[in-house]
Amino acid sequence: GAGVSQSPRYKVAKRGQDVALRCDPISGHVSLFWYQQALGQGPEFLTYFQNEAQLDKSGLPSDRFFAERPEGSVSTLKIQRTQQEDSAVYLCASRYGLAKETQYFGPGTRLLVL
Amino acid sequence: QKEVEQNSGPLSVPEGAIASLNCTYSDRVSQSFFWYRQYSGKSPELIMSIYSNGDKEDGRFTAQLNKASQYVSLLIRDSQPSDSATYLCAVPIQGAQKLVFGQGTRLTINP
Repeated sequence: GAGVSQSPRYKVAKRGQDVALRCDPISGHVSLFWYQQALGQGPEFLTYFQNEAQLDKSGLPSDRFFAERPEGSVSTLKIQRTQQEDSAVYLCASRYGLAKETQYFGPGTRLLVL
Repeated sequence: QKEVEQNSGPLSVPEGAIASLNCTYSDRVSQSFFWYRQYSGKSPELIMSIYSNGDKEDGRFTAQLNKASQYVSLLIRDSQPSDSATYLCAVPIQGAQKLVFGQGTRLTINP
């Protein structure tokens, strides 16, 4: 079946611009995660949804970052007033159920803020 | 101390040899452990998960877990050039749903 998809795959933004990144999880997957991956580093957690409920947003670096999953399926990560330090790959992952189960990652959105 | 630690490498191994990748974690109560492989410019792909002390084998890959030492490793036997990638260790910490990743070990298999 289809995996996790993300769009756009690449985004170039001018500093101060707002961006929206989309994630389509695997159909039926209850849990959805957003991670940020800087060059040469492992992914770092941003936020977690169970269905439409955002249960953990402890990793969001500032109030410029906002995520939603209104119908419990597609999710959008929005970054307002982008800064150069926001440049990274943003990875979305979904999981069917329990914490011990596998998280499946999408291809990521590579964001470059100029 | 970081919650999940790996040597960043690079680790260089000749083709056909055994590659050994190591990871330590801080949370004594962690129950599940994951190894992801990430090719350059690609997303992480799960290659092994392990939940119990001891060894778990899957083809050329063996994961080893020692909860007392808070240590998990990945062995790759008969290494191939296609195994060249960054290997990420990931652990759910403190009962949270999220995965905490190590910084990854960059592995190069030399033909």
